[in-house]
Amino acid sequence: QKEVEQNSGPLSVPEGAIASLNCTYSDRGSQSFFWYRQYSGKSPELIMFIYSNGDKEDGRFTAQLNKASQYVSLLIRDSQPSDSATYLCAVRTNAGKSTFGDGTTLTVKP
Amino acid sequence: GAGVSQSPSNKVTEKGKDVELRCDPISGHTALYWYRQRLGQGLEFLIYFQGNSAPDKSGLPSDRFSAERTGESVSTLTIQRTQQEDSAVYLCASGTPNYGYTFGSGTRLTVV
Repeated sequence: QKEVEQNSGPLSVPEGAIASLNCTYSDRGSQSFFWYRQYSGKSPELIMFIYSNGDKEDGRFTAQLNKASQYVSLLIRDSQPSDSATYLCAVRTNAGKSTFGDGTTLTVKP
Repeated sequence: GAGVSQSPSNKVTEKGKDVELRCDPISGHTALYWYRQRLGQGLEFLIYFQGNSAPDKSGLPSDRFSAERTGESVSTLTIQRTQQEDSAVYLCASGTPNYGYTFGSGTRLTVV
C-alpha cells in the first residue's frame, strides 16, 4: 500500500462545476496535509494546507480533512479552464518528512 | 531572490559523464528536498535534509547518486556515470515542515 494514494484520473468537469479531488494516507500519525497544483511543464506550487479535522476555505478552494478516515480532499468551486492541472496531495508524518501522492489530473472543459 | 533557485536550468550530458546540480533554497528554510520527475510521471523522492539532522537518503536510486547540503544553505545533487534512464527533471524544494514547500523551476537533465 502506498503511503499517499490519489486517483490518477483524468477527472473531467464542465466549466462552473465543482471538482472534487481525493487523497487517502496510511500513517495514522500524520500531522499536516497539503495540496499542490502542477501545470504541465511547470513546478508544483502550494495552494492549501490543513492540520485540523473539518473544512478550510480559501476563495474557490476548500480542503477537507477527516483523520479518523485518513482522508483529505480538495474541492474547487466554479471550476475554470485555468484550473486544469495535476493536483498533488502531500502528507507530513510524525517523522517530519512529507510524502507526495502521484497526483490527479483535472481537466475543466469550457 | 525570493524563490528557490536551481542551476543549470537545462543540462545535456554524454552517457558516463558526471553532473552536478545546484539548489539555492529560500533563506531561513530548514528543510530541503530533491525530487526526480520523469515525463508524465509523479514526483520521485530522492533525499530530504532537515536542519542539522542526518539526511534521509532512502530515495536515492543507486550509489551513483549523492547529495550534500551546507548547513541550511545551498545543496548539490551529484550523479556519477550518468545513464540514459537518469534523464528527467530534477526538482528542489525548500520550506518548513509545518507550512509546506516552495519548488524551484527544476533542472532538465538529458543524457545522450
